[in-house]
Amino acid sequence: QKEVEQDPGPLSVPEGAIVSLNCTYSNSAFQYFMWYRQYSRKGPELLMYTYSSGNKEDGRFTAQVDKSSKYISLFIRDSQPSDSATYLCAMSIYGNKLVFGAGTILRVKS
Amino acid sequence: GAVVSQHPSRVICKSGTSVKIECRSLDFQATTMFWYRQFPKKSLMLMATSNEGSKATYEQGVEKDKFLINHASLTLSTLTVTSAHPEDSSFYICSTGSGEQFFGPGTRLTVL
Repeated sequence: QKEVEQDPGPLSVPEGAIVSLNCTYSNSAFQYFMWYRQYSRKGPELLMYTYSSGNKEDGRFTAQVDKSSKYISLFIRDSQPSDSATYLCAMSIYGNKLVFGAGTILRVKS
Repeated sequence: GAVVSQHPSRVICKSGTSVKIECRSLDFQATTMFWYRQFPKKSLMLMATSNEGSKATYEQGVEKDKFLINHASLTLSTLTVTSAHPEDSSFYICSTGSGEQFFGPGTRLTVL
């Protein structure tokens, strides 16, 4: 079993839809949870960063962490074609290396 | 967040040559930097953890004599791919941060 599980997709949605991306993990020691967006041939861009459990909202993006279920989510409201990219979840114990999910390919159709 | 740059963004070299990739933290005191490689349509694979003023820690299966890492200052870490071969062709990315990690734009290496 992988330490972090993420469905690779691809996930295809129409423009304006609400997108839900998810990851599950097995290591209860993880405290820091991140979502990255990566366009082709570019470095990952940090979208959301959450410490421990809870929700965080930034514009069209909402990140949720449920440590009791070992489950994290990223919601994208009013999705746009420019949101088409690979979304990577990542988590760590402070100061330690990141553990990544496989990445989910998202395609938003206009 | 931290701003991370990489140089060069793209390099093409002949088999057998060595290539140096620089990773700079522009606004953050980076005591630790991480080096990753990424194959097409795959997630990032951690190669090594670079520590300022000390030896890097390599992940299992990564040849330390082939991928030389130097982290001589709080703003610069370098990865040198020695005697590069076509199988070393990949996308190399560095990151730094505390808690959250910020990534550089990546370096695409093509070995002919």
